[in-house]
Amino acid sequence: EAGVTQFPSHSVIEKGQTVTLRCDPISGHDNLYWYRRVMGKEIKFLLHFVKESKQDESGMPNNRFLAERTGGTYSTLKVQPAELEDSGVYFCASRGTGGNTIYFGEGSWLTVV
Amino acid sequence: ELKVEQNPLFLSMQEGKNYTIYCNYSTTSDRLYWYRQDPGKSLESLFVLLSNGAVKQEGRLMASLDTKARLSTLHITAAVHDLSATYFCAVGNYGGATNKLIFGTGTLLAVQP
Repeated sequence: EAGVTQFPSHSVIEKGQTVTLRCDPISGHDNLYWYRRVMGKEIKFLLHFVKESKQDESGMPNNRFLAERTGGTYSTLKVQPAELEDSGVYFCASRGTGGNTIYFGEGSWLTVV
Repeated sequence: ELKVEQNPLFLSMQEGKNYTIYCNYSTTSDRLYWYRQDPGKSLESLFVLLSNGAVKQEGRLMASLDTKARLSTLHITAAVHDLSATYFCAVGNYGGATNKLIFGTGTLLAVQP
């Protein structure tokens, strides 16, 4: 069974550009999460989807970040326009309904220059 | 705001030795996760501890949870080089926010031959 997959694995963009990160959760997992780790900081929660609905987006840093999960399958996280402080690793995770384990992807490394 | 403190931040140990990583958190929770991360890889779920007094073991790793003391430990027995990685604890199921994890800073473990 495939795990949580993320694309791209690495991205280097200029300040002011747009980047879209994609996450494919484990098949059948209704719960999908985005986390990020900026340099030298802890891994921090961004938001949580249940199917296509945003359950909790309290961790989204500002309105330059937009997450979607149309159809309740894969999710995208768009950063527009990107700023230098957005550099870091963006992790996606998923969990099955009633399950306790939260499975993480390998992360998308974003560098804004 | 929930805070999770993990120590030590860095641990260098010799093969065959035992050591413990500590995870303290600041508010009531009955769900504690331990993850392992190899460089450039995903967070691999090691343990999910769901109740006070829970103890789980897998190979040379054993995790425990004391919800009264708000403390979890990850004990390493007779370390081997393959255990070198970064270990994270994360707290969930607090204050009604059942799906948001708060991570510790991580412990970088280096096992020397």
